[in-house]
Amino acid sequence: AQSVTQPDIHITVSEGASLELRCNYSYGATPYLFWYVQSPGQGLQLLLKYFSGDTLVQGIKGFEAEFKRSQSSFNLRKPSVHWSDAAEYFCAVDLYNNNDMRFGAGTRLTVKP
Amino acid sequence: DTGVSQDPRHKITKRGQNVTFRCDPISEHNRLYWYRQTLGQGPEFLTYFQNEAQLEKSRLLSDRFSAERPKGSFSTLEIQRTEQGDSAMYLCASSPKGGRALSNEQFFGPGTRLTVL
Repeated sequence: AQSVTQPDIHITVSEGASLELRCNYSYGATPYLFWYVQSPGQGLQLLLKYFSGDTLVQGIKGFEAEFKRSQSSFNLRKPSVHWSDAAEYFCAVDLYNNNDMRFGAGTRLTVKP
Repeated sequence: DTGVSQDPRHKITKRGQNVTFRCDPISEHNRLYWYRQTLGQGPEFLTYFQNEAQLEKSRLLSDRFSAERPKGSFSTLEIQRTEQGDSAMYLCASSPKGGRALSNEQFFGPGTRLTVL
């Protein structure tokens, strides 16, 4: 079945530590790939997206993600986490023409002082 | 503020009542989407409009749900005879007309949290 998987429900990291959030997708073709962040009581904000080209994508707030076709993965990374990064992170894929966005279940990030 | 807005932000209702939510997209965006998000889950697609035309509906959108976008601007989502299982966050998003050559980012509103007692 077609799906988006975020294996980690909850991750805790110390402030200043590095971060990697995992995302795998299961589709026949390479979809458009997105990472969104959702803070409590807020809507989703786009961090970055991949359509084609360079497989390492830079986003806002110091985030980056790497598309690996062989692993069907699009993992999100940040070299040094800030306390304000605590939020829920969603990976999403869009197969076609922006009318079929599928989201993963999300990973909740907690940042320890 | 030129972002996507939703009203109300919170709605508490009794089972069996009807509720209506409103979404105002970014003004130049002709695509508008509705999603439902339950606790611990990612958003699930409900329906989307291109201008005033409703082009796709998810199987999640039962016959108690109806969405409209009469003038191609704001949209309303109505739930009739609400059930406790309808309790969720209802998110609206908008985007410019898509296409593989274009950036297909969806811009999300803050959501309407519905609680059905």
